[in-house]
Amino acid sequence: FVMTQSPESLAVSLGERASINCKSSQSVLYRTNKKNHLAWYQQKPGQPPKLLIYWASTRESGVPDRFSGSGSETDFNLTISSLQAEDVAVYYCQQYYSTPSYTFGQGTKVEIK
Amino acid sequence: QVQLVQSGAEMRKPGASVKVSCKASGYMFGGYYIHWVRHVPGQGLEWMGWINCNSGVTNYVQKFQGRVTMTRDSSISTAYMELRSLRYDDTAVYYCAKDREGVSDFWGQGTLVTVSS
Repeated sequence: FVMTQSPESLAVSLGERASINCKSSQSVLYRTNKKNHLAWYQQKPGQPPKLLIYWASTRESGVPDRFSGSGSETDFNLTISSLQAEDVAVYYCQQYYSTPSYTFGQGTKVEIK
Repeated sequence: QVQLVQSGAEMRKPGASVKVSCKASGYMFGGYYIHWVRHVPGQGLEWMGWINCNSGVTNYVQKFQGRVTMTRDSSISTAYMELRSLRYDDTAVYYCAKDREGVSDFWGQGTLVTVSS
């Protein structure tokens, strides 16, 4: 499994939309449960990653609704609808379809323009 | 509340071993897996493997096979990750995280392991 994120970095004005793409080399759609085994994490400097989205589009409890996930099989997106200063971070996608290697994407750095 | 508290920073010489601990609280330790992930400075997150904290069964990424051992002590709700034959490029922050259906929903604070001569 290879997870490829784009862009590597992006700068967005406060209040504007930020979108990150994640492509998987193989489908992460598990036919048995009809779920995409794809998660998104946010990591700020000096902190552990924080789970934002799982099953490709389910927001983790407590995550602001400006964060949303979409996509299926091999092509996924994380969207921040209105960028806030506290959203500056590196964002990673991760497939959890193929154990034991739950591969991460290389990360996308989001900054304020 | 769920907490994972890891042991402190370590410095080792190349070829040595390091063992990082991860003490869990706030949930039933034996009911969940623990994942181990590392973050190499300037690079991204790297998945290392997991341990079933009930049975002790482990599963390691091929890259670390033969060098890593994950164990747990259920009596003290603590998981361990030992990495042997350390190299300079093993310098990283090592994280433990609690599993929930494959995702890592709670993370430890991280343990910096520095490999230096």
